Amino acid sequence: GAGVSQSPSNKVTEKGKDVELRCDPISGHTALYWYRQSLGQGLEFLIYFQGNSAPDKSGLPSDRFSAERTGGSVSTLTIQRTQQEDSAVYLCASSLEGDRAAYEQYFGPGTRLTVT
Amino acid sequence: GESVGLHLPTLSVQEGDNSIINCAYSNSASDYFIWYKQESGKGPQFIIDIRSNMDKRQGQRVTVLLNKTVKHLSLQIAATQPGDSAVYFCAERVSWGKLQFGAGTQVVVTP
Repeated sequence: GAGVSQSPSNKVTEKGKDVELRCDPISGHTALYWYRQSLGQGLEFLIYFQGNSAPDKSGLPSDRFSAERTGGSVSTLTIQRTQQEDSAVYLCASSLEGDRAAYEQYFGPGTRLTVT
Repeated sequence: GESVGLHLPTLSVQEGDNSIINCAYSNSASDYFIWYKQESGKGPQFIIDIRSNMDKRQGQRVTVLLNKTVKHLSLQIAATQPGDSAVYFCAERVSWGKLQFGAGTQVVVTP
Protein backbone atom coordinates (compact mmCIF):
# COMPACT_ATOMS: atom_id res chain seq x y z
CA GLY A 1 0.00 0.00 0.00
CA ALA A 2 0.93 3.67 -0.10
CA GLY A 3 3.48 4.95 2.35
CA VAL A 4 3.65 8.24 4.19
CA SER A 5 3.55 11.16 1.79
CA GLN A 6 4.65 14.71 2.40
CA SER A 7 4.17 17.89 0.43
CA PRO A 8 5.76 19.90 -0.87
CA SER A 9 8.98 17.99 -1.35
CA ASN A 10 10.91 21.25 -1.49
CA LYS A 11 10.00 24.69 -0.26
CA VAL A 12 12.02 27.87 -0.59
CA THR A 13 10.68 30.83 1.32
CA GLU A 14 11.81 34.27 2.33
CA LYS A 15 12.65 35.07 5.90
CA GLY A 16 9.58 36.26 7.75
CA LYS A 17 7.05 34.37 5.64
CA ASP A 18 4.78 31.64 6.98
CA VAL A 19 4.93 28.09 5.61
CA GLU A 20 2.69 25.05 5.86
CA LEU A 21 4.00 21.52 5.50
CA ARG A 22 1.61 18.65 4.93
CA CYS A 23 1.77 15.00 5.93
CA ASP A 24 -0.50 12.18 4.80
CA PRO A 25 0.06 9.14 7.02
CA ILE A 26 -0.40 5.52 6.11
CA SER A 27 -4.10 4.67 6.13
CA GLY A 28 -5.13 3.25 9.48
CA HIS A 29 -2.15 4.61 11.40
CA THR A 30 -3.43 6.44 14.43
CA ALA A 31 -0.13 7.91 15.61
CA LEU A 32 1.71 10.62 13.69
CA TYR A 33 5.06 12.22 14.41
CA TRP A 34 7.00 15.24 13.18
CA TYR A 35 10.79 15.49 13.25
CA ARG A 36 13.33 18.01 12.01
CA GLN A 37 16.65 17.00 10.50
CA SER A 38 19.32 19.61 9.95
CA LEU A 39 22.12 19.00 7.45
CA GLY A 40 24.27 16.08 8.58
CA GLN A 41 22.46 15.79 11.88
CA GLY A 42 20.21 13.32 13.58
CA LEU A 43 16.48 13.67 13.89
CA GLU A 44 15.03 16.12 16.36
CA PHE A 45 11.60 15.22 17.74
CA LEU A 46 9.02 17.98 17.40
CA ILE A 47 5.57 16.64 18.23
CA TYR A 48 3.44 13.53 18.08
CA PHE A 49 -0.28 12.97 17.68
CA GLN A 50 -2.44 10.16 18.90
CA GLY A 51 -5.59 10.59 16.88
CA ASN A 52 -6.24 14.32 16.74
CA SER A 53 -4.69 15.16 20.08
CA ALA A 54 -1.05 15.94 20.73
CA PRO A 55 0.06 14.42 24.05
CA ASP A 56 3.65 15.55 23.56
CA LYS A 57 4.51 18.92 22.04
CA SER A 58 7.75 19.20 23.95
CA GLY A 59 9.96 19.32 20.89
CA LEU A 60 8.46 22.37 19.22
CA PRO A 61 11.36 24.89 19.20
CA SER A 62 9.29 28.03 19.74
CA ASP A 63 5.76 29.40 19.58
CA ARG A 64 6.30 30.08 15.90
CA PHE A 65 5.83 26.35 15.34
CA SER A 66 2.44 24.71 15.53
CA ALA A 67 0.85 21.56 14.22
CA GLU A 68 -2.62 20.20 13.87
CA ARG A 69 -4.23 17.00 12.77
CA THR A 70 -7.76 16.68 11.55
CA GLY A 71 -9.93 13.62 11.14
CA GLY A 72 -7.21 11.47 12.62
CA SER A 73 -5.41 11.57 9.30
CA VAL A 74 -3.69 14.50 7.57
CA SER A 75 -1.42 16.73 9.62
CA THR A 76 -0.09 20.20 8.93
CA LEU A 77 3.03 21.71 10.48
CA THR A 78 2.99 25.49 10.34
CA ILE A 79 6.01 27.70 10.85
CA GLN A 80 5.25 31.38 11.25
CA ARG A 81 7.70 34.20 10.55
CA THR A 82 10.33 31.79 9.29
CA GLN A 83 13.96 32.32 10.23
CA GLN A 84 17.09 31.06 8.49
CA GLU A 85 17.72 28.60 11.31
CA ASP A 86 14.43 26.92 10.40
CA SER A 87 16.06 25.58 7.23
CA ALA A 88 16.06 21.80 7.50
CA VAL A 89 14.32 18.67 6.29
CA TYR A 90 11.03 18.15 8.07
CA LEU A 91 10.11 14.49 8.36
CA CYS A 92 6.77 13.00 9.18
CA ALA A 93 6.20 9.45 10.39
CA SER A 94 3.20 7.37 11.34
CA SER A 95 2.56 4.18 13.23
CA LEU A 96 -0.15 1.85 14.43
CA GLU A 97 -1.38 1.74 18.00
CA GLY A 98 0.28 -0.44 20.54
CA ASP A 99 3.48 -0.45 22.49
CA ARG A 100 5.73 -1.67 19.70
CA ALA A 101 4.18 0.70 17.21
CA ALA A 102 5.43 3.66 19.20
CA TYR A 103 8.95 3.10 17.93
CA GLU A 104 8.44 1.17 14.71
CA GLN A 105 7.62 4.31 12.79
CA TYR A 106 7.19 4.64 9.04
CA PHE A 107 8.73 7.78 7.64
CA GLY A 108 7.87 9.91 4.66
CA PRO A 109 10.53 11.33 2.33
CA GLY A 110 10.49 14.71 4.03
CA THR A 111 10.05 18.33 3.02
CA ARG A 112 13.25 20.27 2.47
CA LEU A 113 12.69 23.82 3.71
CA THR A 114 15.10 26.57 2.75
CA VAL A 115 14.67 30.02 4.25
CA THR A 116 16.51 32.73 2.32
CA GLY B 1 20.83 16.78 29.12
CA GLU B 2 20.78 13.07 28.44
CA SER B 3 21.46 12.07 24.88
CA VAL B 4 22.24 9.31 22.46
CA GLY B 5 25.46 9.59 20.49
CA LEU B 6 27.64 7.66 18.09
CA HIS B 7 31.36 6.97 18.30
CA LEU B 8 32.21 7.06 14.57
CA PRO B 9 30.74 9.46 12.04
CA THR B 10 31.89 7.43 8.99
CA LEU B 11 32.55 3.74 8.55
CA SER B 12 34.13 2.35 5.39
CA VAL B 13 33.58 -1.37 4.88
CA GLN B 14 34.62 -3.72 2.14
CA GLU B 15 31.82 -5.62 0.47
CA GLY B 16 31.37 -9.01 2.12
CA ASP B 17 32.92 -7.97 5.42
CA ASN B 18 30.98 -7.51 8.63
CA SER B 19 30.11 -4.00 9.84
CA ILE B 20 29.85 -2.87 13.43
CA ILE B 21 28.21 0.44 14.25
CA ASN B 22 28.44 1.69 17.81
CA CYS B 23 26.28 3.98 19.88
CA ALA B 24 26.52 5.33 23.42
CA TYR B 25 23.43 6.29 25.35
CA SER B 26 22.91 7.96 28.68
CA ASN B 27 19.21 7.66 29.49
CA SER B 28 18.95 4.65 31.78
CA ALA B 29 15.15 4.85 31.84
CA SER B 30 14.69 4.18 28.11
CA ASP B 31 12.79 0.95 27.57
CA TYR B 32 13.57 0.31 23.92
CA PHE B 33 16.56 0.96 21.70
CA ILE B 34 16.14 1.04 17.97
CA TRP B 35 18.24 1.20 14.83
CA TYR B 36 17.11 3.05 11.72
CA LYS B 37 18.69 3.19 8.27
CA GLN B 38 18.44 6.26 6.08
CA GLU B 39 19.35 6.14 2.40
CA SER B 40 20.09 9.34 0.54
CA GLY B 41 16.96 11.37 -0.15
CA LYS B 42 14.68 9.08 1.83
CA GLY B 43 13.19 8.97 5.28
CA PRO B 44 14.63 6.61 7.90
CA GLN B 45 13.61 2.98 7.80
CA PHE B 46 13.20 0.78 10.87
CA ILE B 47 15.78 -2.02 11.04
CA ILE B 48 15.60 -3.69 14.43
CA ASP B 49 14.85 -2.98 18.06
CA ILE B 50 15.88 -4.38 21.39
CA ARG B 51 14.09 -4.13 24.69
CA SER B 52 16.06 -2.87 27.64
CA ASN B 53 15.82 -6.23 29.47
CA MET B 54 17.59 -8.05 26.62
CA ASP B 55 21.28 -8.28 25.68
CA LYS B 56 21.08 -9.48 22.12
CA ARG B 57 18.59 -9.71 19.31
CA GLN B 58 19.09 -11.08 15.82
CA GLY B 59 17.36 -10.27 12.59
CA GLN B 60 18.08 -10.98 8.99
CA ARG B 61 21.83 -10.29 8.60
CA VAL B 62 21.70 -7.88 11.52
CA THR B 63 22.35 -8.30 15.23
CA VAL B 64 21.85 -5.70 17.91
CA LEU B 65 23.77 -5.89 21.16
CA LEU B 66 22.94 -3.96 24.31
CA ASN B 67 25.37 -3.52 27.16
CA LYS B 68 23.56 -1.73 29.97
CA THR B 69 26.60 -1.76 32.24
CA VAL B 70 28.47 0.66 29.98
CA LYS B 71 25.37 2.05 28.25
CA HIS B 72 26.46 0.89 24.84
CA LEU B 73 24.48 -0.25 21.83
CA SER B 74 25.83 -1.76 18.64
CA LEU B 75 24.52 -2.92 15.29
CA GLN B 76 26.32 -5.67 13.46
CA ILE B 77 25.67 -6.22 9.77
CA ALA B 78 26.86 -9.52 8.36
CA ALA B 79 28.30 -9.80 4.85
CA THR B 80 27.86 -6.11 4.08
CA GLN B 81 26.43 -5.40 0.66
CA PRO B 82 26.42 -2.24 -1.51
CA GLY B 83 22.75 -1.75 -0.62
CA ASP B 84 23.79 -1.36 3.01
CA SER B 85 25.44 1.98 2.22
CA ALA B 86 23.43 4.52 4.20
CA VAL B 87 23.38 6.53 7.39
CA TYR B 88 22.53 4.48 10.44
CA PHE B 89 20.88 6.05 13.47
CA CYS B 90 20.46 4.62 16.90
CA ALA B 91 17.50 5.86 18.87
CA GLU B 92 16.04 5.35 22.30
CA ARG B 93 12.46 5.57 23.38
CA VAL B 94 12.45 8.11 26.19
CA SER B 95 8.67 8.11 26.56
CA TRP B 96 5.71 6.73 24.64
CA GLY B 97 5.83 8.20 21.15
CA LYS B 98 9.06 10.11 21.68
CA LEU B 99 12.29 8.83 20.18
CA GLN B 100 15.65 10.47 20.81
CA PHE B 101 18.03 9.92 17.90
CA GLY B 102 21.79 9.93 17.76
CA ALA B 103 23.75 11.92 15.19
CA GLY B 104 24.18 9.02 12.74
CA THR B 105 27.00 7.00 11.20
CA GLN B 106 27.62 7.03 7.47
CA VAL B 107 28.42 3.51 6.23
CA VAL B 108 30.21 3.34 2.90
CA VAL B 109 30.56 -0.07 1.27
CA THR B 110 33.50 -0.38 -1.08
CA PRO B 111 33.89 -3.09 -3.75
